[in-house]
Amino acid sequence: DQQVKQNSPSLSVQEGRISILNCDYTNSMFDYFLWYKKYPAEGPTFLISISSIKDKNEDGRFTVFLNKSAKHLSLHIVPSQPGDSAVYFCAASGGRFYSSASKIIFGSGTRLSIRP
Amino acid sequence: DTAVSQTPKYLVTQMGNDKSIKCEQNLGHDTMYWYKQDSKKFLKIMFSYNNKELIINETVPNRFSPKSPDKAHLNLHINSLELGDSAVYFCASSQAWTGGGGVTEAFFGQGTRLTVV
Repeated sequence: DQQVKQNSPSLSVQEGRISILNCDYTNSMFDYFLWYKKYPAEGPTFLISISSIKDKNEDGRFTVFLNKSAKHLSLHIVPSQPGDSAVYFCAASGGRFYSSASKIIFGSGTRLSIRP
Repeated sequence: DTAVSQTPKYLVTQMGNDKSIKCEQNLGHDTMYWYKQDSKKFLKIMFSYNNKELIINETVPNRFSPKSPDKAHLNLHINSLELGDSAVYFCASSQAWTGGGGVTEAFFGQGTRLTVV
């Protein structure tokens, strides 16, 4: 029962171009969405997040878009740089609906490769 | 000065053994988690503790027992290890949900690669 889905296991983008990573979710109770970046042999590191009250959040080269009606979010990286090569995990949480600690549900990840 | 640290980083052990993985966070967070990344690379939550209290316990065999001696530590003990337990286990921490604007992000440790032979 995958509540957060990343249907593209890998993506290759030329340096300087835009990288678009996609994520779909099924649980309408989710109200907070996060993107994590993971290098080999390291833990995931937080990249950017968006609350369900917004449809866009931007931080430097990274922008996350949320389409609640489609239950879809995407991460845009522009321009893509070699250091962006990593696995990107989409994650979601229904923080407001839990009485205490939240549960962050992760997708399966998309491996992004930036080619020169 | 690592925020979330796990030990050991690698663990190779035989079937049937009992092993523990330790986790410590120095961020002052109230909530700690254990996640398992399986062979298909999914990151699945196993447990969550808030202020030393077990909050989330996903469908995990009872051979897995988390222990939180204090708010800064969440250890994972595994009894009677099986081949299928081989995976990378990640510890994480975050501020507890405050009831206002949703959850804050979780900070992860570097992971413990467990190999059961």
